[in-house]
Order: sequence, then structure tokens, then C-alpha cells
Amino acid sequence: DAGVIQSPRHEVTEMGQEVTLRCKPISGHNSLFWYRQTMMRGLELLIYFNNNVPIDDSGMPEDRFSAKMPNASFSTLKIQPSEPRDSAVYFCASSTRAVNEKLFFGSGTQLSVL
Amino acid sequence: KQEVTQIPAALSVPEGENLVLNCSFTDSAIYNLQWFRQDPGKGLTSLLLIQSSQREQTSGRLNASLDKSSGRSTLYIAASQPGDSATYLCAVTSASKIIFGSGTRLSIRP
Repeated sequence: DAGVIQSPRHEVTEMGQEVTLRCKPISGHNSLFWYRQTMMRGLELLIYFNNNVPIDDSGMPEDRFSAKMPNASFSTLKIQPSEPRDSAVYFCASSTRAVNEKLFFGSGTQLSVL
Repeated sequence: KQEVTQIPAALSVPEGENLVLNCSFTDSAIYNLQWFRQDPGKGLTSLLLIQSSQREQTSGRLNASLDKSSGRSTLYIAASQPGDSATYLCAVTSASKIIFGSGTRLSIRP
């Protein structure tokens, strides 16, 4: 298995631009999580999906952030418009069930908003 | 609100020593606790998962314990090696959320 696949690996953009991060979970996993990691705040859960349905999006910081999971093998996290304070590493993770199984993380997307 | 704390933030020990990393949480109503390893510039790798009904889990040189009543977990690493250098994070699952500690950055000196 290829594991959780995220793209792009690095993204540099200018303030105000739209950013789309992509994630392919492990095949057969039906829970998907988006996390953001910064030095100041550590790992923060942004949103998680179970069976493609958003279950908890209380961690999404603002309306500028949106996430979709159109099918079991693909999810996107979009930031529009982006701001410098959005600079962070964004991780996607998946598991076989929402809360009782091991989490498998992707390699992350390093986002820099100038 | 569940809070997860890891102390110390950084630890440096000579190769070969046994060591213990600590994790504490404020709400004992948890489903499970996981220990992760994160190498610089990489994602997190799950090391051990302890269900709420379990007291410990072992994998190779790693042993994780869980004491729900006191809100504590430890990760014991035996015979440390330079390759163990990484950041170790614990995460607790409660109220359908997975909450991470801020991690302990471990450095093993050759």
C-alpha cells in the first residue's frame, strides 16, 4: 500500500491567492482527517470525515477554509483567500474507523503564504 | 475540554540509555491513546496504540503504559540508539476527537 498521499509537497503562494491541498487516503479507510501543524500551536484538527461525510469541522479556523470529500479516495482542503498566517504544514490522515484505530499520516504539504 | 501535555519539550541522552517520555491528559474518559514519532520534515508514524481497557502495549524496544485514573501515559525506550532521535507525540481520543500533545524532541548522542 502506498500510504496516505498528499499533494503538493510544497506550496508557495502570494496573499490573496486560492490554495488547494489534495489527499488520497489509504484504500479501505473510511475516516479522513485534516490537521495543521505550526510551532506555536502544534497539531490542530481542522476537520474530519467519516464515510465521505464531514462529522466535525469545528476546527476550521474561518470561512476562508473549506474541505470536501467527493468520494472515498479523494479529499481537498481549500483556502480562499490565503493569508500569511495560514503558513503551516497541513497533514492528511486516515484510519479504518473514526476514533478507535491507528491513524496513518501523509507526508504533509508545507504551505508558505507570502 | 481535553488537554494533553508532554514534558519535557526536549530531551538529550547518550546512546544506550533507557529513557521514559511522559504524557498527561486532563480528562480520563478516553477511548485510546497513541504514541507517534515524527522525523524532521516528515509526517507522523504511529508507534503504539493502547485501548482504554489496556494497561500497556509493547513493540520491540518500545513499551507504552496507560493509567487512565491518573491521566498519564509513558513511553519507555530501551537501549536507545541515534536512530531513535525524533519528536515523539502522544494523542488521546475522547469525545470523538483526537487531541495531540506538543511533543518531546528526543536526541540520542552517539
